[in-house]
Amino acid sequence: KNEVEQSPQNLTAQEGEFITINCSYSVGISALHWLQQHPGGGIVSLFMLSSGKKKHGRLIATINIQEKHSSLHITASHPRDSAVYICAVRETSGSRLTFGEGTQLTVNP
Amino acid sequence: GAGVSQTPSNKVTEKGKYVELRCDPISGHTALYWYRQSLGQGPEFLIYFQGTGAADDSGLPNDRFFAVRPEGSVSTLKIQRTERGDSAVYLCASSLLVGATGELFFGEGSRLTVL
Repeated sequence: KNEVEQSPQNLTAQEGEFITINCSYSVGISALHWLQQHPGGGIVSLFMLSSGKKKHGRLIATINIQEKHSSLHITASHPRDSAVYICAVRETSGSRLTFGEGTQLTVNP
Repeated sequence: GAGVSQTPSNKVTEKGKYVELRCDPISGHTALYWYRQSLGQGPEFLIYFQGTGAADDSGLPNDRFFAVRPEGSVSTLKIQRTERGDSAVYLCASSLLVGATGELFFGEGSRLTVL
């Protein structure tokens, strides 16, 4: 079992739909990152969370430390949101990040 | 530059050859990370530098892999006697702060193909 698990692995949506991507982890963490990776490999940091909720534009990230679970929501999805979304946790025992396998999101017009 | 720069962007080499991959972090960022990403998978930790020293090199797969950061800025990942299984995208990230407050900034990656 991976330390960081994401669901779903693949997600296809129609433009305008509300999207939720989930991340569960099994280790103690000091922070959780949501990252976006477009074809070609470039990774962009979307959020870094240690508690509660953060919002940036149409993106919302929440984390429940007790349940070891985080969600990334995209409201009013758009084809340009199509990318791989990766959850990564920074363990309390060190500085490394442990990554999930990613969720491939495709938003169709 | 404004972002993390990695060179080369693509490298094709033959099995058994030596390869160097370079990462130029954001100026002033003391923390530097190397990750490796195989097709369809999430990035895998290799090594983390705090300043000039390797604070955690436990992710390096074997002794063919080595990384340096002699002046606390640019880092070079060195791979000896390359094998086909080393083919992957090698990602570098830097951070101004260590620990929970350190937002990561990633380079575009170096795609290594070993024939």
